[in-house]
Amino acid sequence: DADVTQTPRNRITKTGKRIMLECSQTKGHDRMYWYRQDPGLGLRLIYYSFDVKDINKGEISDGYSVSRQAQAKFSLSLESAIPNQTALYFCATSDLPAPGQEQRAFFGQGTRLTVV
Amino acid sequence: AQSVTQLDSQVPVFEEAPVELRCNYSSSVSVYLFWYVQYPNQGLQLLLKYLSGSTLVKGINGFEAEFNKSQTSFHLRKPSVHISDTAEYFCAVSEAGGTSYGKLTFGQGTILTVHP
Repeated sequence: DADVTQTPRNRITKTGKRIMLECSQTKGHDRMYWYRQDPGLGLRLIYYSFDVKDINKGEISDGYSVSRQAQAKFSLSLESAIPNQTALYFCATSDLPAPGQEQRAFFGQGTRLTVV
Repeated sequence: AQSVTQLDSQVPVFEEAPVELRCNYSSSVSVYLFWYVQYPNQGLQLLLKYLSGSTLVKGINGFEAEFNKSQTSFHLRKPSVHISDTAEYFCAVSEAGGTSYGKLTFGQGTILTVHP
């Protein structure tokens, strides 16, 4: 969905480098998420945020940190990248689970990160 | 906690043949169920969802799925596939009752390849 934009789309970085992946959305949703996709494993939740002051760890948060700079922006950082963090990363947003709201998540196009 | 198992990692099929992609889930609470599709080098697109009501849900591109609570399954079907249906398909669940549509647990994915 074009309403959720990830930058960069592709990135190659060296082991030990710090890297930030950025996500911005125009959906006006409060809830944002970061997932990583690995072949044969599907998508796994790294971190999620239900509003600007709320940050929660997901299933695989070790080695990652996040920052929710505004309602529309949610960044994922790898403080010291390692090769097994090579993956496809997706940002997603969702609305409040209330009547009349969009009852689904919206995903960005993904960022392909390679750590060498 | 929830878990999702997609029973087939790859499904090859000929064009115009029917197809079923199988999904089973495990959860101690009620869940919402989703099928997403990922075309090559693209993000995730929602095919269909089950939140409540009729157990047979219809989605985009001629796909449908049936929620079977007793068998904890949510299999995806299409009566006649096209070459353009070649993609990876993900089954996902989220906890029902108001936390989030975006805090998802995904299956491992099923690669559907449609041959001419």
